[in-house]
Amino acid sequence: AQSVAQPEDQVNVAEGNPLTVKCTYSVSGNPYLFWYVQYPNRGLQFLLKYITGDNLVKGSYGFEAEFNKSQTSFHLKKPSALVSDSALYFCAVSSHGSGNTGKLIFGQGTTLQVKP
Amino acid sequence: DGGITQSPKYLFRKEGQNVTLSCEQNLNHDAMYWYRQDPGQGLRLIYYSQIVNDFQKGDIAEGYSVSREKKESFPLTVTSAQKNPTAFYLCASSTGTPRSSYNSPLHFGNGTRLTVT
Repeated sequence: AQSVAQPEDQVNVAEGNPLTVKCTYSVSGNPYLFWYVQYPNRGLQFLLKYITGDNLVKGSYGFEAEFNKSQTSFHLKKPSALVSDSALYFCAVSSHGSGNTGKLIFGQGTTLQVKP
Repeated sequence: DGGITQSPKYLFRKEGQNVTLSCEQNLNHDAMYWYRQDPGQGLRLIYYSQIVNDFQKGDIAEGYSVSREKKESFPLTVTSAQKNPTAFYLCASSTGTPRSSYNSPLHFGNGTRLTVT
């Protein structure tokens, strides 16, 4: 069965410092990985996705994520955090391989707090 | 601008009443989805529709119903059978289908917060 885990409920960083939001996944076939961001009382916004190709994926607002097949991880990163990056971040995975539903499964979310 | 409109933003109902949440999109997307969001639980799929006049149950469909009479519209009814209806409800659309969602990001509306007392 597909699953995705975000091991940290909250990540705190100082403005200007690098940030990492962690995500690990479990699928039986090739994973397709996504990051979304949610601001308070709003819907989710797509940040980036990994389908195939380069392990380092660049997305919106200066975010990037690194696909690591051996560690089954897809951590979200940004070299220099902004206060405006403070939000709830969701990792999601799907797969169309054998034994998978093809549906998108979301992690529980990680709240990012960037302090000035 | 293209997008997804959910209305109302806030909705209050008494226990035992059915309530319908509106979702309209002008993105010309074939697939539409309803998710429920509860604190600390991520998003859970309620129903999805790949084409007009067709829809499938998601992971937590009990106590909910939907219709897809038009491509642009996918309303969700929360019935009195739903045991814990208070939640934030999100509608989404994509050019893909659930079987091809690996390649198609979801576009979300801004949600409806339902409170049932």
